Amino acid sequence: NTKITQSPRYLILGRANKSLECEQHLGHNAMYWYKQSAEKPPELMFLYNLKQLIRNETVPSRFIPECPDSSKLLLHISAVDPEDSAVYFCASSQSGISNERLFFGHGTKLSVL
Amino acid sequence: QQKVQQSPESLIVPEGAMTSLNCTFSDSASQYFAWYRQHSGKAPKALMSIFSNGEKEEGRFTIHLNKASLHFSLHIRDSQPSDSALYLCAVSMMNSNNRIFFGDGTQLVVKP
Repeated sequence: NTKITQSPRYLILGRANKSLECEQHLGHNAMYWYKQSAEKPPELMFLYNLKQLIRNETVPSRFIPECPDSSKLLLHISAVDPEDSAVYFCASSQSGISNERLFFGHGTKLSVL
Repeated sequence: QQKVQQSPESLIVPEGAMTSLNCTFSDSASQYFAWYRQHSGKAPKALMSIFSNGEKEEGRFTIHLNKASLHFSLHIRDSQPSDSALYLCAVSMMNSNNRIFFGDGTQLVVKP
């Protein structure tokens, strides 16, 4: 799927700061960050719907999303923790309503040393 | 909070078999029911969805919904080795802050 691109593909970090990037070329109005830990389903972290942020309140404050425009999504992570090791998927949907199909990017695999 | 559960956790079937995957949900106000498939190391990809009671067929795949029983299912006819993947059911409600709740998944292996 080249319509949603994420970078980097793989990330190995000590206790550092880093940003994940996503860009969608589908003309969608809603973009999401999902975290998928090993042997677990994807869990919603953040949603931007027409640039309005909706957050999952269980996500630690060291994760900060940013949506510079409707096609781009960033996830800034400060002082990563080993529990942050997971695959982070960016996704998008047409309008951001809850009964829409999600389109996922290929993911960024984060490994925290 | 919505609780979505899948069964079985894993399944091994021979090529050509009919495969049935199950999903139960807890909130009777749920309005959107979907199945996603995730091949190993890849992103989840939507397979099909349904909104009202009954069934819907697309090729070898059939989705069946019974809202009164809080249950929906995915049936795969003539299962192929390429169907081997993690299958995630997904449920959402209107006014749920656009949140889709995923089940824990069923790992399907289709043996040639």
